[in-house]
Amino acid sequence: GAVVSQHPSRVICKSGTSVKIECRSLDFQATTMFWYRQFPKKSLMLMATSNEGSKATYEQGVEKDKFLINHASLTLSTLTVTSAHPEDSSFYICSATPKTAPLDEQYFGPGTRLTVT
Amino acid sequence: GNSVTQMEGPVTLSEEAFLTINCTYTATGYPSLFWYVQYPGEGLQLLLKATKADDKGSNKGFEATYRKETTSFHLEKGSVQVSDSAVYFCALMLRGASKIIFGSGTRLSIRP
Repeated sequence: GAVVSQHPSRVICKSGTSVKIECRSLDFQATTMFWYRQFPKKSLMLMATSNEGSKATYEQGVEKDKFLINHASLTLSTLTVTSAHPEDSSFYICSATPKTAPLDEQYFGPGTRLTVT
Repeated sequence: GNSVTQMEGPVTLSEEAFLTINCTYTATGYPSLFWYVQYPGEGLQLLLKATKADDKGSNKGFEATYRKETTSFHLEKGSVQVSDSAVYFCALMLRGASKIIFGSGTRLSIRP
């Protein structure tokens, strides 16, 4: 089946630094990738939708200058948390839709746990 | 607004017990409904889905029926196994949209 990987799986960074999280579709091309954030015991909240070659579409309340998304190729999207603060600590999950598939067919990565100290 | 509510966990059952995880939704229009499962250390996987009222989604012994009159999509399995231990998410997607709206997840633990 379709596999999506994320790197790193865990990262700890100091307050004020930036951290980049990668999302890769390993065996398919994805024109659309999604970034979610999951708080403890809460649902996944969509942060942004990323289309290859164009600017990401952010959900209401998500700061685009803080959460930079780049979808440079059909197999890679990156999320950069800039000037991270402890409140950015969370579990970040990406998903990807194969090029020829409907948008409800999303394959999820295993997630990245970010801890900001 | 559009939302999904599912029963809070954790749910702990013995092997071969009957499972129900309740899920209700609020949505404008007629959404597609999903159950996703997340096994330890893995990403979410689609378990089953239903796209219109009275449809029944099924997979790996799990079933859920799209009930428009009660706005529900409860997950059931007749006889659970230890390998079913995971977190289960109910979700919806509005027609014509790409956004999936998730419930908060229910952790299921099965005792041998």
